[in-house]
Amino acid sequence: AQTVTQSQPEMSVQEAETVTLSCTYDTSESNYYLFWYKQPPSRQMILVIRQEAYKQQNATENRFSVNFQKAAKSFSLKISDSQLGDTAMYFCASRSGGGNLIFGKGTKLSVK
Amino acid sequence: KAGVTQTPRYLIKTRGQQVTLSCSPISGHRSVSWYQQTPGQGLQFLFEYFSETQRNKGNFPGRFSGRQFSNSRSEMNVSTLELGDSALYLCASSLDEVGGEKLFFGSGTQLSVL
Repeated sequence: AQTVTQSQPEMSVQEAETVTLSCTYDTSESNYYLFWYKQPPSRQMILVIRQEAYKQQNATENRFSVNFQKAAKSFSLKISDSQLGDTAMYFCASRSGGGNLIFGKGTKLSVK
Repeated sequence: KAGVTQTPRYLIKTRGQQVTLSCSPISGHRSVSWYQQTPGQGLQFLFEYFSETQRNKGNFPGRFSGRQFSNSRSEMNVSTLELGDSALYLCASSLDEVGGEKLFFGSGTQLSVL
């Protein structure tokens, strides 16, 4: 069974600084995808970044980047130049083949 | 392009009642999935529909059911409501059949069971 673990329930960062959110996962599948979703107070889940497991190169989307360590089954999210609008819950998720998304418990990020 | 639309946004029901939630996917998306979000259990997968067929189902009791119409709109139904069914119900749609595609979520329906 797939599992996703986020060990940081809450984090805070000063505006303009960099913060890294941790995520580890476990899967027996060889073909899988990893995601970071953001859920602001509006409750809508917004896709931040996606990583295909077979790609070695770490995904990047503007200020957001990931550090994908396949052997260690680690998938951390780095937010650079943090902005007040980044304040939200962040969920790490995995998906294998045609299966459903498995979410971590989330990390509440506050940008001050 | 309009996003995923869920109605209603808020719903208050009493134990024993039943409820139907609606989800309209992004135009052209044929896959619709449902998730339940609670503070205690987090986000849990309910079911997924693709071209009117249930393709995947999570570990929820039979009181939770769903369907998808020919226009890809989906509904989920919960019968004999229990207090523990209070949750945010999120719907997501996607374009491709193969896993790994982006899921686009709606803003959810907040269900309160009294």
